[in-house]
Amino acid sequence: IAGITQAPTSQILAAGRRMTLRCTQDMRHNAMYWYRQDLGLGLRLIHYSNTAGTTGKGEVPDGYSVSRANTDDFPLTLASAVPSQTSVYFCASSETGEVSEQFFGPGTRLTVL
Amino acid sequence: GQNIDQPTEMTATEGAIVQINCTYQTSGFNGLFWYQQHAGEAPTFLSYNVLDGLEEKGRFSSFLSRSKGYSYLLLKELQMKDSASYLCAGRDSNYQLIWGAGTKLIIKP
Repeated sequence: IAGITQAPTSQILAAGRRMTLRCTQDMRHNAMYWYRQDLGLGLRLIHYSNTAGTTGKGEVPDGYSVSRANTDDFPLTLASAVPSQTSVYFCASSETGEVSEQFFGPGTRLTVL
Repeated sequence: GQNIDQPTEMTATEGAIVQINCTYQTSGFNGLFWYQQHAGEAPTFLSYNVLDGLEEKGRFSSFLSRSKGYSYLLLKELQMKDSASYLCAGRDSNYQLIWGAGTKLIIKP
């Protein structure tokens, strides 16, 4: 059982390029989340999905989009990357959006030059 | 506004006890979480409090006072492997987690 996987592990990207970060979970969790983690700051929620077919905006959604076509996958897309999007990105999931703790993937370290 | 405050860094000695404090302000309140994060790794769940009082889980305990907007994580019998960042997160009325910046705990022999 893998839990949550993320790909790629790390990426260096030129500004202006489009990039999709992949996230897959095999726990059949209903809710999924994308966070970014920057030095000296807490995890900040980018987008979330409480169930397949629905998504919502978090604290810092600008420049990012997500989709939730099925229960397992929750890709995050940067349409046109900018240097301020350099960060570590974590995908997480929970059984529901209301009750349970969140489980995190290993993260993607993204550098935008 | 919503805010979570916790110390940036703490140092403790192997075998000792350390208490990491967290104060929170959230729009509504649906629980307080503690996570552990080793350098370069993902956060992992440690504890959850929604009612006042102490929750004990092995060497780790977590306390909540809702009236004071205050929680602490207590680590006993410290081991070198406990060197990590400890993240406090409050869940708001929309069930979203508001995260503190984390407390880096350094354990010395």
